[in-house]
Order: sequence, then structure tokens, then C-alpha cells
Amino acid sequence: GAGVSQSPSNKVTEKGKDVELRCDPISGHTALYWYRQSLGQGLEFLIYFQGNSAPDKSGLPSDRFSAERTGGSVSTLTIQRTQQEDSAVYLCASSLYRTMNTEAFFGQGTRLTVV
Amino acid sequence: ILNVEQSPQSLHVQEGDSTNFTCSFPSSNFYALHWYRWETAKSPEALFVMTLNGDEKKKGRISATLNTKEGYSYLYIKGSQPEDSATYLCAFIRSGGSNYKLTFGKGTLLTVNP
Repeated sequence: GAGVSQSPSNKVTEKGKDVELRCDPISGHTALYWYRQSLGQGLEFLIYFQGNSAPDKSGLPSDRFSAERTGGSVSTLTIQRTQQEDSAVYLCASSLYRTMNTEAFFGQGTRLTVV
Repeated sequence: ILNVEQSPQSLHVQEGDSTNFTCSFPSSNFYALHWYRWETAKSPEALFVMTLNGDEKKKGRISATLNTKEGYSYLYIKGSQPEDSATYLCAFIRSGGSNYKLTFGKGTLLTVNP
């Protein structure tokens, strides 16, 4: 596709359930980021993948959060035992790596509501 | 830890006013500086990618400057319009050890009143 695609666009889940959020980056983009925006807050970094390098997981808020990127393309963010404070819009972005003049492109986000 | 600071945190201006805000970043190991506009209920979209000290970029009524030696960038909006209301984010990329990761500031929330 032409842009970054995220699914689902909306997800309502019960507290304690696990959820998986998916991101399809732009083809050829080796850098992939996950961010989230909680209500009234800014952009919070979660995790960064770059090619075959070990991912930068420094933004993951707890060990209930994990992410993987298979084959250097599609990424899945998994939240186990969801809590109400996990409710947020989860944004994925991709970019070319180490190419000075290109920006990151964001998906439309997944709005997660934990009830 | 990389500190990317944006000021002010929020700003209200009247339609037609010109305004500017600041992004500060580490002055060492500079690689690139990005500006993004983030409108409510949408995703951030890139405005500018800046790489050279002294760069000045312009898109319509919006322009940006870059000083890599002192570690700051300014974003200017001339003749603000209500549709300019958004959060403006800057993002810094450092060369080397950080694996060229984008680090965002917290943004400046601009509200343009008609």
C-alpha cells in the first residue's frame, strides 16, 4: 500500500484480556516506531525497530507490553492483561533508515479502550 | 537520555497574527531535525526535514530555521489561520549510538482564534 496501515482502527477490550495491534509499514522502510497518545497527553515513545539491530525497548511502560517485527516488515504490539490506563491511541510510524532527507510516516492509529 | 525541548508548551493567537516557537536539541552529533504538524484526530504529518546548519525551509506561510551549532530550530507561522491550529512537534536524530532514532519533543499546542 501507499502508506502505513494499522489495524484494527478501534479496539474495545475488557480489563485483563490480551490485545494485539498490527502495523504494516511502507514497503522498504527499515525503521519502525510505536508510540501512544493517552488522553490529553503528547506522543509517548514505546519501541523502535531498525533492520536486524536489537530493538530499542526503552519506552515500553511495563513487561505486559511487547512487540515484534517479522521479516523486517509487519510489526505486532501485544499488550497482555490490559489495564484501564492502557487506553490510548497507538500510533505506528515507519521511515527509511539513515537517509538524511526523509521523514517518518505515521499510520492512522489504533484507538484502544479498556473497559 | 536525549533532551528535545519545545517552547512554549501552548500558545493562543488571533487570526492574522504571526507567531513562532522553539525546539532545542543537543548540539553534538547532529544528524537531522524534523518538524511535524499534528492535528486533532489525525496523525502527525511532516512539515520539514532539516539537515544543514543555517538551513531555512518554507512551505506557504510556514517556515523553519536551523542552528545546529547552538542546538535550536525555530518554526514561524505568518498570518495564522484557524486551520493552523494543531500541535507542532519537532524530532531530533543523532548520528551514531542511538541508531538514528527519532526523538520527539512534547510539542507546542497552537490555537488560532478566529
